[in-house]
Amino acid sequence: EIVLTQSPGTLSLSPGERATLSCRASQSISSSYLAWYQQRPGQAPRLLIYGGSSRATGIPDRFSGSGSGTDFTLTISRLEPEDFAVYYCQQYDRSLYTFGQGTKLEIK
Amino acid sequence: QLQLRESGPGLVKPSETLSLTCTVSGGSIRSTSYYWAWIRQPPGKGLEWIGNVYYSGSSYFNPSLKSRVTISVDTSKNHFSLKLSSVTAADTAVYYCATDLVPYFDLWGRGTLVTVSS
Repeated sequence: EIVLTQSPGTLSLSPGERATLSCRASQSISSSYLAWYQQRPGQAPRLLIYGGSSRATGIPDRFSGSGSGTDFTLTISRLEPEDFAVYYCQQYDRSLYTFGQGTKLEIK
Repeated sequence: QLQLRESGPGLVKPSETLSLTCTVSGGSIRSTSYYWAWIRQPPGKGLEWIGNVYYSGSSYFNPSLKSRVTISVDTSKNHFSLKLSSVTAADTAVYYCATDLVPYFDLWGRGTLVTVSS
């Protein structure tokens, strides 16, 4: 099973700042099989990025994904108040899925 | 547009079987575009994939839960179901159904909290 480790666990930033969230896999994965989700309190997760770098429908272009091999990054270029939430990465390998443990993005 | 809604008991006794249904509206469960997935989230914790099913009945499961999980499709009712047997308090979670575009989850239901307690 591929384990995803997200860092940091909590990120404290101010609106307008740039956020960089990391997701590291225990073994190399195809970027095609890496996705990112946002979860606001009391809500279901929402797909942000799929295929490592493709934005899902309706996702603002301040969200971007990058990376390859074992290291992947979600970048939010300029934080809006609604972006403060928990973010999860997720991978797919041989018909099985795993999620990272999440990064909480909080207002500083 | 496609919508998913989970339903089922909010309280299950230890050792019994948890049963949930996800009703698909705005589209057909026979769609060849999707698998249909179950994912859960214990209170205050992260996400765990449980398994998925295709309209034909083909399915895959999380190895850690495989021995206790059944996921089935009812095309006549346009819904799919989850059964998790021999539950314990560790199975207390919000259970989500989602569309599985392999290799990612596109659309999620709102989730339903299931508590395992006597």
